Amino acid sequence: GAVVSQHPSRVICKSGTSVKIECRSLDFQATTMFWYRQFPKQSLMLMATSNEGSKATYEQGVEKDKFLINHASLTLSTLTVTSAHPEDSSFYICSATKSGQNFNSPLHFGNGTRLTVT
Amino acid sequence: EDKVVQSPLSLVVHEGDTVTLNCSYEVTNFRSLLWYKQEKKAPTFLFMLTSSGIEKKSGRLSSILDKKELFSILNITATQTGDSAVYLCAVAYTGGFKTIFGAGTRLFVKA
Repeated sequence: GAVVSQHPSRVICKSGTSVKIECRSLDFQATTMFWYRQFPKQSLMLMATSNEGSKATYEQGVEKDKFLINHASLTLSTLTVTSAHPEDSSFYICSATKSGQNFNSPLHFGNGTRLTVT
Repeated sequence: EDKVVQSPLSLVVHEGDTVTLNCSYEVTNFRSLLWYKQEKKAPTFLFMLTSSGIEKKSGRLSSILDKKELFSILNITATQTGDSAVYLCAVAYTGGFKTIFGAGTRLFVKA
């Protein structure tokens, strides 16, 4: 159980276009999902906390107008990179927690999306 | 600023060696420390530690937390090539599931 699916796994887009990444919890409901970004050979940097039915909470330094997060249902959160630039190229990975899950439980991660902006 | 610091950043060993990976943290509202293994894509969960001095063990891997010194170690004995991966240390905050990660230790086990 606790499978998190992320789509697409890989995307290449042109500079200036927008890209949407989906994160789905397949066998559970997720009130909260987290979006991370990982540069090559670096760790996961928390970008934002996505809460179902409310606005996302962004970490300091993350532009909310550039990285739009929508968590419209208990099984889906989307991250849209708007007007992408080459410096947005990175590995984006989401994680989810089960609704009602005990806080003493680990996060479940998707397999990530590698974004390349040309 | 809250932070999680891992060392070493990279490590090359031979099969059969024992390795110790380090993680220190400075985090307000600490709830638990977690270790993950990341090979190519999603990190996979290894351990969650909430109490000091209690070793958690899974096969050849073990981990322990020192909440006084704000420190944890991950031990891998009799390493195998399949242990080659990035090992991530993370700290979860109280009051929710927010979790921040260290930079990771890249382990390479030579045959």
